[in-house]
Amino acid sequence: ETGVTQSPTHLIKTRGQQVTLRCSSQSGHNTVSWYQQALGQGPQFIFQYYREEENGRGNFPPRFSGLQFPNYSSELNVNALELDDSALYLCASTRGRETSYEQYFGPGTRLTVT
Amino acid sequence: QKEVEQDPGPLSVPEGAIVSLNCTYSNSAFQYFMWYRQYSRKGPELLMYTYSSGNKEDGRFTAQVDKSSKYISLFIRDSQPSDSATYLCAMSDDKIIFGKGTRLHILP
Repeated sequence: ETGVTQSPTHLIKTRGQQVTLRCSSQSGHNTVSWYQQALGQGPQFIFQYYREEENGRGNFPPRFSGLQFPNYSSELNVNALELDDSALYLCASTRGRETSYEQYFGPGTRLTVT
Repeated sequence: QKEVEQDPGPLSVPEGAIVSLNCTYSNSAFQYFMWYRQYSRKGPELLMYTYSSGNKEDGRFTAQVDKSSKYISLFIRDSQPSDSATYLCAMSDDKIIFGKGTRLHILP
């Protein structure tokens, strides 16, 4: 186990709704990244947070947003859900923004949009 | 051309065989090269990372990076049924790009 936890495990939402996913980083890690993993694909980088500030973003629209809290836990928010948002959402923590090569992943939240 | 290419498999080999998994890439700015293992319904688990070119060994696993050919490999010696999983390569410059993953089955 990596010490990174995510909640909830599974979630079913309707198109157009909003969703919040949560992540608790490994102790001592101040950087968190979020990924979307569609079935049969590798994880795709959504964004990274370092000390509560966004520190890089992938090719995802603004309806994907995030927060990182002083205790380094974080949230991923997705507004106006679309069917294609159905995926496994992963968070990963690292010791710092310079050590992204050594990420530790949580078990993921499986989101289904109907 | 995708930044990272990885054969999705599935790859089936008998127990005890040497497994070779590979990825190619197009971005010469990549400096770190990682291999992750992902079991069904789990998050990826970091196996090892390599900086720039060269080899790195950890137990039964060996990672190789050839930057001149833009080609990386992961070798698994004495493969076990517990090695059955999806193996993801990943590379980074200022962000991390993953391959699609190769599904590996070790047959008892």
